Amino acid sequence: DQQVKQNSPSLSVQEGRISILNCDYTNSMFDYFLWYKKYPAEGPTFLISISSIKDKNEDGRFTVFLNKSAKHLSLHIVPSQPGDSAVYFCAAVKTSGSRLTFGEGTQLTVNP
Amino acid sequence: NAGVTQTPKFRILKIGQSMTLQCAQDMNHNYMYWYRQDPGMGLKLIYYSVGAGITDKGEVPNGYNVSRSTTEDFPLRLELAAPSQTSVYFCASSYSRGGTDTQYFGPGTRLTVL
Repeated sequence: DQQVKQNSPSLSVQEGRISILNCDYTNSMFDYFLWYKKYPAEGPTFLISISSIKDKNEDGRFTVFLNKSAKHLSLHIVPSQPGDSAVYFCAAVKTSGSRLTFGEGTQLTVNP
Repeated sequence: NAGVTQTPKFRILKIGQSMTLQCAQDMNHNYMYWYRQDPGMGLKLIYYSVGAGITDKGEVPNGYNVSRSTTEDFPLRLELAAPSQTSVYFCASSYSRGGTDTQYFGPGTRLTVL
């Protein structure tokens, strides 16, 4: 039972353009969402998060949007840079708990 | 400040062998976690600990054991290794409840069971 799904295993964009990574969840108890970035041979690192009381959170070039009715969130990267090439994991949690549920990840490639 | 360290980086085991994956953090975090990542899959929680002496099962605990005798260390034990345990293992830590508190990950251990 995959409660957090990232349906696109890979995404390729040109440098300077927008990258949009999508994530869907099924468990309506999730109320906090995170994105982690992972480079090869390294562990994931936290990127940005959003609480269910918000519909948008912005941090520099990274913006996360949350649509609770659709149980969908997306990560926008503008402008995309070659250094953004990595695997991006979406994760969700109930704030009353301590377990993150991760999606499968999306490999983003930003071409110069 | 080394963050979260894991040893070894790579290991090949034969079916039925045992090993311990080491994890240490120097951030004085209370919470520690073990995840595994299979190809094309997200990270699955194996075990976690909320402090020294306290551990609990995650989503996929079968075939593994953990202990937490100190705040810094959280080793993961594999008994009777099986090919299904071939995976990349990540240890992580967080200061408080790991849902909304940032988890910091180690670089991973790539384990192959043949």
